[in-house]
Amino acid sequence: SQQGEEDPQALSIQEGENATMNCSYKTSINNLQWYRQNSGRGLVHLILIRSNEREKHSGRLRVTLDTSKKSSSLLITASRAADTASYFCATLSGNTPLVFGKGTRLSVIA
Amino acid sequence: DTAVSQTPKYLVTQMGNDKSIKCEQNLGHDTMYWYKQDSKKFLKIMFSYNNKELIINETVPNRFSPKSPDKAHLNLHINSLELGDSAVYFCASSQERAGGRETQYFGPGTRLLVL
Repeated sequence: SQQGEEDPQALSIQEGENATMNCSYKTSINNLQWYRQNSGRGLVHLILIRSNEREKHSGRLRVTLDTSKKSSSLLITASRAADTASYFCATLSGNTPLVFGKGTRLSVIA
Repeated sequence: DTAVSQTPKYLVTQMGNDKSIKCEQNLGHDTMYWYKQDSKKFLKIMFSYNNKELIINETVPNRFSPKSPDKAHLNLHINSLELGDSAVYFCASSQERAGGRETQYFGPGTRLLVL
């Protein structure tokens, strides 16, 4: 069953702008992860945030987690054309497999 | 060196044929997975193996059979291919840690087209 749902489905911004993607989920989780998928490639792990964490940074990435609202956001600051990709959130709950959302397609226009 | 590799990268075949996709990981992970990504980019887990034992078998047709000869390999065999099997199949691996499974490392995908 699908757990995470990303919003928006597609996002187009200019290079240098910030991009924000949101993820909502339904059940309690152990952790939430964000992955990137470039066209024609496999998924690449970006960042993992545990259920007891509220915010995490990695380079130009900032992830927040609000367990009361069952939502997470991924912020990419100072976007570059190379950030163009699909971004997926994935949630881990108990012993169930990692469940991926449908992704947000980000286009960064130079 | 590629961490998770899959072969072939592309597979075009006729309906009714039997085909296999191979996956190997050199990360020393103890868990491997097969995912199917459809045309709408929805990624769904099919199988998961931990130390050569099947631990997750989602609702997939019996025509799909995973085989794990050792911890580093998880192959996917598909019998009697159907048009609806056309998709991108991803292999992934991860390492179990106390408190749960950590991040997954994905292969480049195998693009299967059934004609």
